[in-house]
Amino acid sequence: DAGVTQSPTHLIKTRGQQVTLRCSPKSGHDTVSWYQQALGQGPQFIFQYYEEEERQRGNFPDRFSGHQFPNYSSELNVNALLLGDSALYLCASSLVRRGETQYFGPGTRLLVL
Amino acid sequence: DQQVKQNSPSLSVQEGRISILNCDYTNSMFDYFLWYKKYPAEGPTFLISISSIKDKNEDGRFTVFLNKSAKHLSLHIVPSQPGDSAVYFCAASARSGGGADGLTFGKGTHLIIQP
Repeated sequence: DAGVTQSPTHLIKTRGQQVTLRCSPKSGHDTVSWYQQALGQGPQFIFQYYEEEERQRGNFPDRFSGHQFPNYSSELNVNALLLGDSALYLCASSLVRRGETQYFGPGTRLLVL
Repeated sequence: DQQVKQNSPSLSVQEGRISILNCDYTNSMFDYFLWYKKYPAEGPTFLISISSIKDKNEDGRFTVFLNKSAKHLSLHIVPSQPGDSAVYFCAASARSGGGADGLTFGKGTHLIIQP
């Protein structure tokens, strides 16, 4: 049973560019949440997708957007990258009715130069 | 404003002894609490959780205690083993609309188990 997978593992971009990160949830899960973890900090909630719609959003600007596909996989898009967007981006999946236990993927390390 | 606080950035414990990691929260709407363990270059791994209707939950060497009146929870690891060396995150969530909110995490405590 595959767990949560994310791609790519590492990415280097320059300021102003756009980036797309991808996530496949654990088999049987219907909800995907995205988090940003800066160095030395805990993960911060970006948004959550369920039934292909954004269900809840954290305190992140509109430059951060997402999408969920019919197979429950998800994408995180970040436009107009800033140096401060450099972080580990984590995807977590769960069942919405038992959404409290979220299972995380290995993350995508994004470096913005 | 940090709603989940882990005030000890690091903790060193001898192998075989008890490790106690602490976490405080401020938001009264939180009703589910989780502990995650994270190794470098990996995503957080779920360890144990507790609902606000309980004050204790055990799973093998791991026990979580919840004191709602003090808005405090702790994770006990007994006995501590070298493989327990990692960063431990406390997280909290509240239910909304039939599902759960995104998790709110503390900054983590780096646990070092010394032989």
